[in-house]
Amino acid sequence: GAGVSQSPSNKVTEKGKDVELRCDPISGHTALYWYRQSLGQGLEFLIYFQGNSAPDKSGLPSDRFSAERTGGSVSTLTIQRTQQEDSAVYLCASRDSGRSEQYFGPGTRLTVT
Amino acid sequence: QQQVKQSPQSLIVQKGGISIINCAYENTAFDYFPWYQQFPGKGPALLIAIRPDVSEKKEGRFTISFNKSAKQFSLHIMDSQPGDSATYFCAASRGSGGSNYKLTFGKGTLLTVNP
Repeated sequence: GAGVSQSPSNKVTEKGKDVELRCDPISGHTALYWYRQSLGQGLEFLIYFQGNSAPDKSGLPSDRFSAERTGGSVSTLTIQRTQQEDSAVYLCASRDSGRSEQYFGPGTRLTVT
Repeated sequence: QQQVKQSPQSLIVQKGGISIINCAYENTAFDYFPWYQQFPGKGPALLIAIRPDVSEKKEGRFTISFNKSAKQFSLHIMDSQPGDSATYFCAASRGSGGSNYKLTFGKGTLLTVNP
């Protein structure tokens, strides 16, 4: 079946602008994660959604970052007032509840100029 | 605080050789340990995973060895092939007790397999 999809694949934005990144998880997967991959920090957890439960936002680096998940499926990660240090690859992963395995999408490469 | 330490940073192996990548963790609450393979421009792909109730798991040419007392685990790639050239990440998470399996990653190992 289809894997995790993310859009756009690349995004270039100017410092100070807001950006929205989209994730479509594997159909039926109730758990959804956002991670960030950068040269300096490696792969870092950002936020976790599970069904209708309150999200785990413990990895969000600042209040400029937010995410939502509508209808238990698609998720959007929003970065407000982007900074150059936000440049990274943003990865989405999903997991079937009751199982351990997380499956990653191809990522969105964000470049802030 | 780096909770998962991975070594080496880079590794060069000849075709047919054995590639070994090591990881150590600090948090004894971790109970799930996956390895991911990542090619340039792609997302990480799950390779193999282990839980601490077993000391070894093998899938094809890939084997995880796990040492709970030492809080270490390693990935062995037998008969390494040029197509195995990629970046490998170890990770750890907790899934028991209602935890959410959020992954803590090592810094990665760039493996190059020469033909």
